Amino acid sequence: NAGVMQNPRHLVRRRGQEARLRCSPMKGHSHVYWYRQLPEEGLKFMVYLQKENIIDESGMPKERFSAEFPKEGPSILRIQQVVRGDSAAYFCASSGTGVTEAFFGQGTRLTVV
Amino acid sequence: GESVGLHLPTLSVQEGDNSIINCAYSNSASDYFIWYKQESGKGPQFIIDIRSNMDKRQGQRVTVLLNKTVKHLSLQIAATQPGDSAVFFCAENYIYGGSQGNLIFGKGTKLSVKP
Repeated sequence: NAGVMQNPRHLVRRRGQEARLRCSPMKGHSHVYWYRQLPEEGLKFMVYLQKENIIDESGMPKERFSAEFPKEGPSILRIQQVVRGDSAAYFCASSGTGVTEAFFGQGTRLTVV
Repeated sequence: GESVGLHLPTLSVQEGDNSIINCAYSNSASDYFIWYKQESGKGPQFIIDIRSNMDKRQGQRVTVLLNKTVKHLSLQIAATQPGDSAVFFCAENYIYGGSQGNLIFGKGTKLSVKP
């Protein structure tokens, strides 16, 4: 049973470009969470999704950021018109139904140059 | 702002000693708590969890204690080994609408184990 898969592991984008980060949850998991982590800091919640639904996006910036978790395929975190301040590690986690532990992927490290 | 915080940003221990990592939380509605370990360049790894109807839970070499009165959580690592060196995060969860909420993380404690 594969764990949470994120790709790419590293992503370099120039300012103004779009970044697409993908997350495939663990098999059988229908809850997906995205977190952002700056160096030497904790994880900041961004968005919580279930299949085809955004449950909580209170941590998402109002502009340029969006997330989806379609019926088929991975969850996507999209950042439009990236700026240097978007450089960070973005982690995805998944969990099953109910209050269960969330398992994390290895993250995507976004660098904006 | 953060609802979960850690008392100590760094902790240095001798190999073989026991380690205690502390965490404070502020949301009294939180009813599920998790400790994660994060090694450099990797994603957080689940260590142990505890629900609010418990005050202690033990795993392999680790024990989590929950004190709801003072909203305090701790992780005890027995016989700390060099491989335990990492950043440890506590996280809290709260239930709303009957569904699982989002995990709120603290800033982390860096554990350094000296051989």
